[in-house]
Amino acid sequence: EIVMTQSPATLSVSPGERATLSCRASQSFSSNLAWYQQKPGQAPRLLIYGASARATGIPVRFSGSGSGTEFTLTISSLQSEDFAVYYCQQYNSWPLTFGGGTKVEIK
Amino acid sequence: EVQLVESGGGLVQSGGSQRLSCAASGFTFSNYDMTWVRQAPGKGLEWVSAITSGGRSTYYADSVRGRFTISRDNSKNTLYLQMISLRAEDTAVYYCAQRGSSWHFDNWGQGVLVTVSS
Repeated sequence: EIVMTQSPATLSVSPGERATLSCRASQSFSSNLAWYQQKPGQAPRLLIYGASARATGIPVRFSGSGSGTEFTLTISSLQSEDFAVYYCQQYNSWPLTFGGGTKVEIK
Repeated sequence: EVQLVESGGGLVQSGGSQRLSCAASGFTFSNYDMTWVRQAPGKGLEWVSAITSGGRSTYYADSVRGRFTISRDNSKNTLYLQMISLRAEDTAVYYCAQRGSSWHFDNWGQGVLVTVSS
């Protein structure tokens, strides 16, 4: 099983600032990685797939990068609606696994 | 517009059974692989099970294998999750989701809460 580890657990950022979220895999793979955003009481929303492709309707301020064991989600300029929990998910092998999440909170 | 609506949740005793349903609309259900993902209260996301479009192949997390069964009825545009021998640690919101171009999930239902009491 590929274990996904996200850091930090909580990220305090001011609106307009840049946020960088990390996701580390216990085994190397190329690009079978997705990022989701989840707000309280809501279902997750797909942001990024294939490590760097934005899903339909996702603003350009969200970008993904990485391969191997290190992946990054960057939010270039945080908007009020971006404060949420973010999860990475690998789909390189079964079982599919999620990271533990990073909560992005207002500083 | 893709819609996924889960139902069948509620309170069940430890050792009991429950069947969840996910009614799909707004897309050709029979063309899409589907999955269940759960989230325990205050915790992160945990993938549970997946099924291919025709139902031929199924996949399970180790934590539910042998106790949960995923299935689908393409004539009814409905996905199911039959759960038996439920444990307190199965308490969670269960989401159904539609697979995208690979095994990431493009669209999600609103979720249904299953509470297992001991």
